[in-house]
Amino acid sequence: DAMVIQNPRYQVTQFGKPVTLSCSQTLNHNVMYWYQQKSSQAPKLLFHYYDKDFNNEADTPDNFQSRRPNTSFCFLDIRSPGLGDAAMYLCATSRVLLAGAGNIQYFGAGTRLSVL
Amino acid sequence: AQKVTQAQTEISVVEKEDVTLDCVYETRDTTYYLFWYKQPPSGELVFLIRRNSFDEQNEISGRYSWNFQKSTSSFNFTITASQVVDSAVYFCALSDLPQGGSEKLVFGKGMKLTVNP
Repeated sequence: DAMVIQNPRYQVTQFGKPVTLSCSQTLNHNVMYWYQQKSSQAPKLLFHYYDKDFNNEADTPDNFQSRRPNTSFCFLDIRSPGLGDAAMYLCATSRVLLAGAGNIQYFGAGTRLSVL
Repeated sequence: AQKVTQAQTEISVVEKEDVTLDCVYETRDTTYYLFWYKQPPSGELVFLIRRNSFDEQNEISGRYSWNFQKSTSSFNFTITASQVVDSAVYFCALSDLPQGGSEKLVFGKGMKLTVNP
């Protein structure tokens, strides 16, 4: 059974039209991450939630926002998608009890976003 | 700075061949963790293994084995008797704990393995 679930698997949006991607987890993990992965590249961390605390990466554009209404759900909002935002967006979760303990991240299947 | 290098970008083998995926890392930390993830065409990154810097024992899991050598800063992954289902992109990753920040993963660029029947 899938433990990190991303919906939808494929999303098409128009240039400049806001879009929201969702992630849910059944693992009760306290940390949730959002990554952007462009074709033939490594995943790039956008931000993560440690419990309710939001941690943004320094180079994440303001166009990207996130919400975590409860432990199980996390959303990625792209306020005004550009052509360069077309990518696979991956959600991951981790149970972090101790920082620096090599906590394993578990990934969802991703949402592939196309921008027309 | 933390860095992971996967020099091979793409390898193609015939089924039943053995294949080794190289991973070299750089770290400022004395305690760190290394990971391998598999990304099949479906897109999900699948966790394969985690190894901490104090454990240099090689590990075997079925057809998979990992060779960790601190002296050469390498954490190589070998698939024995490869199968078509092994076709995927494989990522090596290193834990990063910035001062005052949260733990993250630093990924290599990935290596695409194609196993042909």
